[in-house]
Amino acid sequence: QVQLVESGGGVVQPGRSLRLSCAASGFTFSSYAMHWVRQAPGKGLEWVAAISYDGSHKFYSDSVKGRFTISRDNSKTTLYLQMNSLTAADTAVFYCATDPTWIGGLTYFDYWGQGTLVTVSS
Amino acid sequence: SVLTQPPSASGTPGQRVTISCSGGSSNIGSSAVNWYQQFPGTAPKLLIYTDNQRPSGVPDRFSGSKSGSSASLAISGLQSEDEADYYCAAWDASLNAKVFGGGTRLTVL
Repeated sequence: QVQLVESGGGVVQPGRSLRLSCAASGFTFSSYAMHWVRQAPGKGLEWVAAISYDGSHKFYSDSVKGRFTISRDNSKTTLYLQMNSLTAADTAVFYCATDPTWIGGLTYFDYWGQGTLVTVSS
Repeated sequence: SVLTQPPSASGTPGQRVTISCSGGSSNIGSSAVNWYQQFPGTAPKLLIYTDNQRPSGVPDRFSGSKSGSSASLAISGLQSEDEADYYCAAWDASLNAKVFGGGTRLTVL
């Protein structure tokens, strides 16, 4: 069965960096686009970034563009999110999610990980 | 949020409830709508994709529809276990980004 396990969350000071990982199993990782979606405490869902199945195309929300970098290693079936210049507004649970489509008008998230909490605080 | 949902909805067991999602020509008007269900403390779950398609395992009590730049999620035969948060989402071609509605908390009275 599909499994997505996020890791790398924790408490980090403002201005510092953190790298999240999402270990995938149970499906052909290299055939799926992947996304990061976050949810601030008590708030709604916010899409963060997406990467195509082969890593050739990447998309970012305006709120993280220039600070976050999405990447993947298909040989390790792992998705990453490098987060730099973190602020309190980045405090959230970060989910990785699979997308069986080409990123765009048909995109949807069919499987989600359990999430990892990132807390940005001094 | 780019997509607009009512913050709350409610119904009694057995009732039919609809949740609306309003957007614009760059998102709902030109892209497929998805719906997600989320229980407190858990990850979201895909409920509807491509406007009105149900993944396997999702009861047919849940249905999606779209007209122009608006979409709706309908839940018929409401059950207590349907009490959750519901989010709509679509790709926005102008932003080149996935956008979500603010979410609707459904209460089963």
